[in-house]
Order: sequence, then structure tokens, then C-alpha cells
Amino acid sequence: DAGVTQSPTHLIKTRGQQVTLRCSPKSGHDTVSWYQQALGQGPQFIFQYYEEEERQRGNFPDRFSGHQFPNYSSELNVNALLLGDSALYLCASSLGLPGTQYFGPGTRLTVL
Amino acid sequence: GQQVMQIPQYQHVQEGEDFTTYCNSSTTLSNIQWYKQRPGGHPVFLIQLVKSGEVKKQKRLTFQFGEAKKNSSLHITATQTTDVGTYFCAGLTTSGTYKYIFGTGTRLKVLA
Repeated sequence: DAGVTQSPTHLIKTRGQQVTLRCSPKSGHDTVSWYQQALGQGPQFIFQYYEEEERQRGNFPDRFSGHQFPNYSSELNVNALLLGDSALYLCASSLGLPGTQYFGPGTRLTVL
Repeated sequence: GQQVMQIPQYQHVQEGEDFTTYCNSSTTLSNIQWYKQRPGGHPVFLIQLVKSGEVKKQKRLTFQFGEAKKNSSLHITATQTTDVGTYFCAGLTTSGTYKYIFGTGTRLKVLA
């Protein structure tokens, strides 16, 4: 039974570029939430996808967008990257809303 | 906006000593979850509390949810070096939205 997987593990981009991060939920889970965790901080909720729709959104600008596919996997897209977007991006999956969240290993994004 | 604060921010203890972290929300929560994040790792789910005044135990860990469902605590008895990490609480909002607000975290160091 595979847990939550994320790709890539690490990523380096420059300001102004765009990035796409991917997440495959734990087997049997249908809900995916994305979080941004800056160094030394707690995870900050970006948005949540259920039934291929964005259901909830945190206080993040429209540069942050996402998608959920029919197989429940999800993508996080960030446009016009800023230095402040450097962080660990965590994906968490659950069964339904709200459910116990299982986190993936994260993608470490560095913006230069 | 809704905030969840944790104290202390850091705690150093000698192995064998007890440890407690406190979580306080600015608003009433539907439930609260606790996570542990090891250095360089991702948050790992520990437990969920739902009922007012609920107390749950997991071996040396005791979790409590306040009567007003605005605060919670995690107590570790006789800490071990394996307890090292950052402990986060995450509160589920009651505003009809299903999103978790993470606390600021308490970083625990255990000295052998």
C-alpha cells in the first residue's frame, strides 16, 4: 500500500519562472491538500481538491493554482516565482472531508 | 484571521524528563490533530481529538482537548532521544470550511 508520493524531491528555479509540483495520494484517498512550509514555520494551507474541484483555499495569491485528475492525483502550479516562494511544499491526502491527513515527503523548492 | 499558537517555541530537556506543549486557537475548533515532524522530514499524524474535554493516551504521550475546544496539549512522560522533533497541532475550522490551521510548532530537543 503506497503512501503519498511527491515529485520532484528538490527543485531550483529563478525568479519569474513557473513550476509544477506533483502529488499522488495514498491508495484509497480522494482528497488532496497542499501546504507551504517555510523554514522553521508550520505548514500553511494553500488549497484543497476534492472531486477534481478546488474546495477550500488559504491566503495565497492567484499565482498559486492547482488541478486534480480523475485518478485523484494532483498538481500545484506556481507562476512568476518570487524569492519568498522558496519553501517545502507538502501534499497531504485524506479520505473525504475532513479526514486524517497523510503527508508526502514534500518538494523542496529553491528560488534564486 | 484565525490563528493557532503554540508554546513554547523551543524546549530542551534531559532524557527522562517530562515535556508539554500547549496549543491555543483564537476561535473554537471542530477538532484538533497533532503531528510530529522529525528534522528534514514531513509531518506524521499522531492523533485526532474531537470531543470537548477529550483525553487520549498513546504509550508515553497524553493528548488533551480543552472544554471550550479552543486549546489542546500534548504531554510526553519520560522523554527519550527518539522524541526529538517538532510537534505541531492543527485545528479544523468550524466556519463550514474543511481546512486545517497549523500551529507554530514546538521544537523539542532531548539531551542524553
